[in-house]
Amino acid sequence: GAVVSQHPSWVICKSGTSVKIECRSLDFQATTMFWYRQFPKQSLMLMATSNEGSKATYEQGVEKDKFLINHASLTLSTLTVTSAHPEDSSFYICSALRPGLAGKELFEQFFGPGTRLTVL
Amino acid sequence: DQQVKQNSPSLSVQEGRISILNCDYTNSMFDYFLWYKKYPAEGPTFLISISSIKDKNEDGRFTVFLNKSAKHLSLHIVPSQPGDSAVYFCAAPPGTNSGYSTLTFGKGTMLLVSP
Repeated sequence: GAVVSQHPSWVICKSGTSVKIECRSLDFQATTMFWYRQFPKQSLMLMATSNEGSKATYEQGVEKDKFLINHASLTLSTLTVTSAHPEDSSFYICSALRPGLAGKELFEQFFGPGTRLTVL
Repeated sequence: DQQVKQNSPSLSVQEGRISILNCDYTNSMFDYFLWYKKYPAEGPTFLISISSIKDKNEDGRFTVFLNKSAKHLSLHIVPSQPGDSAVYFCAAPPGTNSGYSTLTFGKGTMLLVSP
């Protein structure tokens, strides 16, 4: 399957600082990427849809000024958590969408390994 | 409103036995379903999918069954292996007519396969 990477895999920061997480599709171009977060024992919750060359689409309840998303190229989307607070501590996962092969799934979504953010 | 429900947070099975993970959905527009497997501190990995035009899809030890009238699907793992221990998520896109889009995930079921 296709490969999606995330960097860093974990980060610890002080309250009030900003943290940038990168999501890269390594072997395919992704015009659409998604950012999810997962709290312990909870499901993956979609935060926003990142579209290359245009503004991200945020889900209801997600502050766009706090979670800045930039999809600057077809292989890279970044999520910046601005002025992070302890309640932002979570596991952030990105995914990249690739059109499915003819005759198979309509689309394929490949997930990154996730980034564990801990805000002290 | 939870459109994809996995009502069992956990399941314990002995090695070699069958594991059955259940998923219910409420949105009748869903016509495609996926199962993902997730290990701790890793992203989900795709396992198997099923389209609503089928009622069964099999891939090795994994079989997914779909009952559209009951809005229910299940993932069967036979025989279960300790390496199958993970959290399994059921997911659905909003509808094929909407094109490529996001997934709605269930809360997941943690499977523990003991030797």
